[in-house]
Amino acid sequence: SQKIEQNSEALNIQEGKTATLTCNYTNYSPAYLQWYRQDPGRGPVFLLLIRENEKEKRKERLKVTFDTTLKQSLFHITASQPADSATYLCALAENAGNMLTFGGGTRLMVKP
Amino acid sequence: GAVVSQHPSWVICKSGTSVKIECRSLDFQATTMFWYRQFPKQSLMLMATSNEGSKATYEQGVEKDKFLINHASLTLSTLTVTSAHPEDSSFYICSARRGGAAGELFFGEGSRLTVL
Repeated sequence: SQKIEQNSEALNIQEGKTATLTCNYTNYSPAYLQWYRQDPGRGPVFLLLIRENEKEKRKERLKVTFDTTLKQSLFHITASQPADSATYLCALAENAGNMLTFGGGTRLMVKP
Repeated sequence: GAVVSQHPSWVICKSGTSVKIECRSLDFQATTMFWYRQFPKQSLMLMATSNEGSKATYEQGVEKDKFLINHASLTLSTLTVTSAHPEDSSFYICSARRGGAAGELFFGEGSRLTVL
């Protein structure tokens, strides 16, 4: 069966450190993968998109990698801040225009 | 960035009543909008794809007669929960795609429905 797995346990890190979140998928051939941030009681906010032929994408303190061999995407936040505390969702689509399927999300807690 | 507005943010209703939730793209036209449902500490589950000027496409297990979707214009989609029951209580979120098939999705702020 198809699965998108993110660590359901919260990730607690110290301010200033790099946070790394993992998204693994099974039985998908995604055309692209996206990462979103969701705060409690709010809708998700788009952060980054990475396509199947891209290995890495950066945006300010954010970095996403995409390994189609390992079927994994890593999401990094460098120099983390307490304001980065939120739930981060990965989502993928197998073809352009297909619906996005979301992982369960990982909650990140950055402590001052 | 693009804004998608949902209304109402919170709604409490009695069992058996119907509730309408609106989703508007404020600064772009959206041929396609999506409706999701999210239970506490769980991910978003796609309910249906709303297409302007045509019938919505529902995901397996979603009752189309219970969750009525209308996409009357390029900037407005509505979800009506008919004859709501307590088990329909959830967080409903819409999104709209901008910029083509692989375009960025913009999400509304969500609507919290509580059915008493």
